[in-house]
Amino acid sequence: DQQVKQNSPSLSVQEGRISILNCDYTNSMFDYFLWYKKYPAEGPTFLISISSIKDKNEDGRFTVFLNKSAKHLSLHIVPSQPGDSAVYFCAASAGTGRRALTFGSGTRLQVQP
Amino acid sequence: DAGVIQSPRHEVTEMGQEVTLRCKPISGHDYLFWYRQTMMRGLELLIYFNNNVPIDDSGMPEDRFSAKMPNASFSTLKIQPSEPRDSAVYFCASSLAGAEQYFGPGTRLTVT
Repeated sequence: DQQVKQNSPSLSVQEGRISILNCDYTNSMFDYFLWYKKYPAEGPTFLISISSIKDKNEDGRFTVFLNKSAKHLSLHIVPSQPGDSAVYFCAASAGTGRRALTFGSGTRLQVQP
Repeated sequence: DAGVIQSPRHEVTEMGQEVTLRCKPISGHDYLFWYRQTMMRGLELLIYFNNNVPIDDSGMPEDRFSAKMPNASFSTLKIQPSEPRDSAVYFCASSLAGAEQYFGPGTRLTVT
């Protein structure tokens, strides 16, 4: 049973445009969410996170939105750059400490120059 | 900081052999995690430690897998005996106080 789902395996956008990556979750106990970026032959790199007490968190070109009622979060990248081309993983955790992460299957983003 | 260090980066072994993967977490981090990534199951947590003590090993697939953390700067994941279905990329990650996790580059294991 996939508790964190990324239903789009791939996404292609033009450089300078907005990239929107989506993630859905089923476990209502999840209260902390993270996005990781992964390049080939490297480990995932932490990008941005959001607590369930917020509905938006912004860091430079990256913004994460959380809709708790819909159990949905999204990552917006504006403007998209060719260097953003990577696999993006959504992850979630529950309870105090937020230690054990449950990952989605990832979305491969390709930013075309 | 050197980041999380894993060795070896690639391991090819025959079925039935013992495999040991190694990890050095970021200095000062008190949590260490072992993950496995496969095409079928994605990225899944195997086990994690806090202050060198195993906290949750519910993700360890079976008794052939074991993990240790003898001190704050070293951990091993051992598979004995190895099987072809263990072929995957194994990641180690560390964090401070259970916050954002920092991943190593991974060990690609191939069991023939």
